[in-house]
Amino acid sequence: DVKVTQSSRYLVKRTGEKVFLECVQDMDHENMFWYRQDPGLGLRLIYFSYDVKMKEKGDIPEGYSVSREKKERFSLILESASTNQTSMYLCASSSGQVYGYTFGSGTRLTVV
Amino acid sequence: AQSVTQPDIHITVSEGASLELRCNYSYGATPYLFWYVQSPGQGLQLLLKYFSGDTLVQGIKGFEAEFKRSQSSFNLRKPSVHWSDAAEYFCAVGGGSNYKLTFGKGTLLTVNP
Repeated sequence: DVKVTQSSRYLVKRTGEKVFLECVQDMDHENMFWYRQDPGLGLRLIYFSYDVKMKEKGDIPEGYSVSREKKERFSLILESASTNQTSMYLCASSSGQVYGYTFGSGTRLTVV
Repeated sequence: AQSVTQPDIHITVSEGASLELRCNYSYGATPYLFWYVQSPGQGLQLLLKYFSGDTLVQGIKGFEAEFKRSQSSFNLRKPSVHWSDAAEYFCAVGGGSNYKLTFGKGTLLTVNP
C-alpha cells in the first residue's frame, strides 16, 4: 500500500515562528498536495506539486510556501506563523487523478 | 470550474438502518468521482471511485455509490450501518488534465445504538 507519512501528528508553535511541515510518500507518485481542514470549511488546497521543483498555488496560498527538492518529499512552510493558521494540515499524493489521492494522517498545528 | 455540494452537514441513523449520503457535482465533461471517509483525528481513506463504465460502483466496507449523469449526482449508500461507520464522509470530483480534486465540505455521520 502507498504510504504518506507526515512527520508530526501534533505541533504547537508560537506566533511569528517559521514552521516546517514535512510529508514523505513511498510510491514514486508525481503529484503531491497540501490541504488545510477547518470545521465547516472542508478541505482547502494550499499548494500542489506535479514534479520535482514544480509547484502551483491552490486556493489559499497566502502565508504559505512549499518546497519539493526530491520526488518523495513535499514540505509546507509557514514563513511567520499566525493564530489564524491553527488548523489540521493534510498531505496527499497521487499518480493521477483517476486513481484518487492517498492521504497522510494529518498534522494538527496550534499557533499560540 | 468544478465544484461539489454535500447538502447534509450532519446525519444521524440507527445501527442497522440503511444510509444514503448525497453528493452533487458540477463539471463540464465526464467527471472522476470519489468518496472518502475520515475517522476522528485521522487522514482521509478512499472508499470508492468512478471514472467510467458501470455507473454503480462498489467500494470497501460494504459501501456503494451510483453515478447519475442526468442528476449530476454521486450518492453513497450502505444497506445496514454499523457503529464503526460513524465518521465524516467527503465527496470529491476531478477530471481532464486538471491535477486537482475538488472536495465537498463533508457530511458527519452519527450512528445511534
